[in-house]
Amino acid sequence: NAGVTQTPKFQVLKTGQSMTLQCAQDMNHNSMYWYRQDPGMGLRLIYYSASEGTTDKGEVPNGYNVSRLNKREFSLRLESAAPSQTSVYFCASSETTGTNYGYTFGSGTRLTVV
Amino acid sequence: RKEVEQDPGPFNVPEGATVAFNCTYSNSASQSFFWYRQDCRKEPKLLMSVYSSGNEDGRFTAQLNRASQYISLLIRDSKLSDSATYLCVVSHTGRRALTFGSGTRLQVQP
Repeated sequence: NAGVTQTPKFQVLKTGQSMTLQCAQDMNHNSMYWYRQDPGMGLRLIYYSASEGTTDKGEVPNGYNVSRLNKREFSLRLESAAPSQTSVYFCASSETTGTNYGYTFGSGTRLTVV
Repeated sequence: RKEVEQDPGPFNVPEGATVAFNCTYSNSASQSFFWYRQDCRKEPKLLMSVYSSGNEDGRFTAQLNRASQYISLLIRDSKLSDSATYLCVVSHTGRRALTFGSGTRLQVQP
């Protein structure tokens, strides 16, 4: 059972470079999410996709874009990386956005922007 | 004020001890509550849901107090393997994603 797979696991970028974080789930979940985790801040929602074909902004969307490529895949793009985007990024999925469902997380991407 | 607040700890306890964490939430419309566990440099994993009547899973007991807007997690007979950060998580119908607290770190010592 792969669950939620994120790539890459580690990345170092220079300021101004772009990159795309990939996420795929094999649980037939409808909803997918991108969070970032910074020390002392907890996980903060960047974007989410309630279902295939829809995306919505979360708490901290500035500097990011997303694509829900199909039901399985949800990618996060940094167009012009900034040092403030140094963080650990987690992708997650759930059956729906309904309030009773917990999430399954990927193992994370550790991104450093220098 | 953060929507979900937790004492960051660390809580340092000996093996076999009982330890309790509290978490407060600010949105009275919150409907679902969870505890997640996160090991160092790993992803969060669902530990247990929290039900209005309280619920127990082995050595773990979760309680919800809606009137005071807090959730608790009690761990009995602590094991070394319980060392982790425990995240309090809340959802409500006005927001279509979970809101996470910053976590409480537990270190169980031999």
